[in-house]
Parts: sequence; structure tokens; C-alpha cells
Amino acid sequence: DAGVIQSPRHEVTEMGQEVTLRCKPISGHNSLFWYRQTMMRGLELLIYFNNNVPIDDSGMPEDRFSAKMPNASFSTLKIQPSEPRDSAVYFCASSFSASGRSYNEQFFGPGTRLTVL
Amino acid sequence: TQLLEQSPQFLSIQEGENLTVYCNSSSVFSSLQWYRQEPGEGPVLLVTVVTGGEVKKLKRLTFQFGDARKDSSLHITAAQPGDTGLYLCAGVRYSSASKIIFGSGTRLSIRP
Repeated sequence: DAGVIQSPRHEVTEMGQEVTLRCKPISGHNSLFWYRQTMMRGLELLIYFNNNVPIDDSGMPEDRFSAKMPNASFSTLKIQPSEPRDSAVYFCASSFSASGRSYNEQFFGPGTRLTVL
Repeated sequence: TQLLEQSPQFLSIQEGENLTVYCNSSSVFSSLQWYRQEPGEGPVLLVTVVTGGEVKKLKRLTFQFGDARKDSSLHITAAQPGDTGLYLCAGVRYSSASKIIFGSGTRLSIRP
């Protein structure tokens, strides 16, 4: 079975450029999460969707970041304009969230390593 | 400020030794998860502990959830080079089963 798919795996761009990261969640999962990982701050939740609807975007750093989920099988995280401090590994994860369950297992993609020069 | 603090941050030990990693918080969680992450990959769930005081064993790994549901530990017996990786604890809040809070991480290296 295919796991969570992310593209690109690596992205190098110059400051000020627009960056778009893509994610395909596991088929049948109804929740999707975007995380950012750095050595300094660890793994941080940026935003998560449930049934394609953004539920919590309190982790999105600023207006330069935006995320969309147009359908159940695709999501994007866009940074515009990008800055050097955005350099990090960005992970997408998905899970099946059922009402009444006290916890869920999140399945992570391989990540996109972003370097902004 | 990290909601979940892990200690130690880094640990390098010889193959065959035992080790314990700690995950502490001032917050109460409905459950706590442990993930392992290898270089170039995303974290992978190892276990979820749900009940205060619960102990779960996964081969040579033993996970414990504190009685007060604020802390957890991971004990590895007879560590092997394949145990090398970044270990992350993650707290699940009562308010949301979906939104989990990750700890600061423990980077473990097992020398052959």
C-alpha cells in the first residue's frame, strides 16, 4: 500500500520566491496534518484538516504561509514569499479520525527538505 | 517553551547496554504516544499508552505512562544498532484526539 506521498523531496529556492509543497494522504484517511521540523524548534504542527476543512491553523507562522485541501486526496502548503528562516523539513501526515476515539495514529510522509537561500 | 520536555536530548551508548528516555510535562494528557524517526524519513508510531500507570512492552522496549498522566518513559534493554534514531513522545489532549503535541526529542546512537 502507498503511504503518504510528498513532493518534492528537496527544494532549494532563493529568498522571495514562492514555494509550493504537495501531499497525497493515504486513501481513506480523513485527517491531514502539516508539520515543520527544525533542530531548534523540533516538530511543530502548522495546520490540520478534517474532511478537507481546516480545523486548526494556529501553528501557521504568518500570512506568508497558506494551506489548501481541495479534495480528500491532495493538499498543498504554500510559502510566499519565502525567507531563509523558513528552511526546514516539512512533513505531511494523515490519519483516520473516528468520533469517540481518544487517539489516532498519524502516518507521516518522507518530508520535503526546504532550503531558502 | 516545549510543552513536553524529553531527556536526555542526546544519548550515545554501546551495544548491549540499557537506557531510559524520559518525557515530562506539567499538562495532563488523555494518552501519550512514542514515535521513532530515522534519518530522511518521517516519524513512525511505536506505541500509544492510554491508562495512567500503564506499562506496554514491545520486544526490548518498555513504555510506561505516569500515574498522573503527565509523564512517560521509554526503557530499552540490550540496545542494538538498529535502535538508533530520534525518539519523540507526543501527548494527546482531552480536547482533541487529532491534535497531538510532540516532545523535544531524544537522539539515540548505539555504537556496535
